[in-house]
Amino acid sequence: DQQVKQNSPSLSVQEGRISILNCDYTNSMFDYFLWYKKYPAEGPTFLISISSIKDKNEDGRFTVFLNKSAKHLSLHIVPSQPGDSAVYFCAATTGSGNTGKLIFGQGTTLQVKP
Amino acid sequence: GAGVSQSPSNKVTEKGKDVELRCDPISGHTALYWYRQSLGQGLEFLIYFQGNSAPDKSGLPSDRFSAERTGGSVSTLTIQRTQQEDSAVYLCASSITPGPYTEAFFGQGTRLTVV
Repeated sequence: DQQVKQNSPSLSVQEGRISILNCDYTNSMFDYFLWYKKYPAEGPTFLISISSIKDKNEDGRFTVFLNKSAKHLSLHIVPSQPGDSAVYFCAATTGSGNTGKLIFGQGTTLQVKP
Repeated sequence: GAGVSQSPSNKVTEKGKDVELRCDPISGHTALYWYRQSLGQGLEFLIYFQGNSAPDKSGLPSDRFSAERTGGSVSTLTIQRTQQEDSAVYLCASSITPGPYTEAFFGQGTRLTVV
């Protein structure tokens, strides 16, 4: 059962334009969400996160939006840069139990064309 | 080191052999995770260690998989009688606290190929 889904395996955008990466989840117990970026032959690196008590979190060019009623979150990158080309994973977790276990989506490969 | 270190970076093994993958977490990090990424797939949770608590093994795919964490630091993931479907990149991560509100730092991974 895929609790976190990234339905778009790939996305291609032009440099300077907006990149929007989407993520859906099914478990209503999830209350914290994270985005990771992964370059080839490297481990994922943390990008941005959002708590379920918020609907938006912004960090420079990166903004994450959370729609709890739709169980949907998205990552906006604006303006997109060629160095943003990577695989992006969304992840979700729960606060209760305090396990820290992250459930990841399948990832979306972003290509930003110069 | 400053980051999470995994060894070996690459491992090719024959089907049926046992393998051990090592993870050195960031010093002081109490939580340690193992994930794997099969070709074309997302990150699949395997096991989670937190301090002296019993590990969360709910993600281990079969009893051929086991992991231990000695002294609350280094961790070893062992796969017995490897199968071709075990081929994947095995990623280790650590975080400073057990809380889910702290991002995990990942190592570069061990690419395991079972032939």
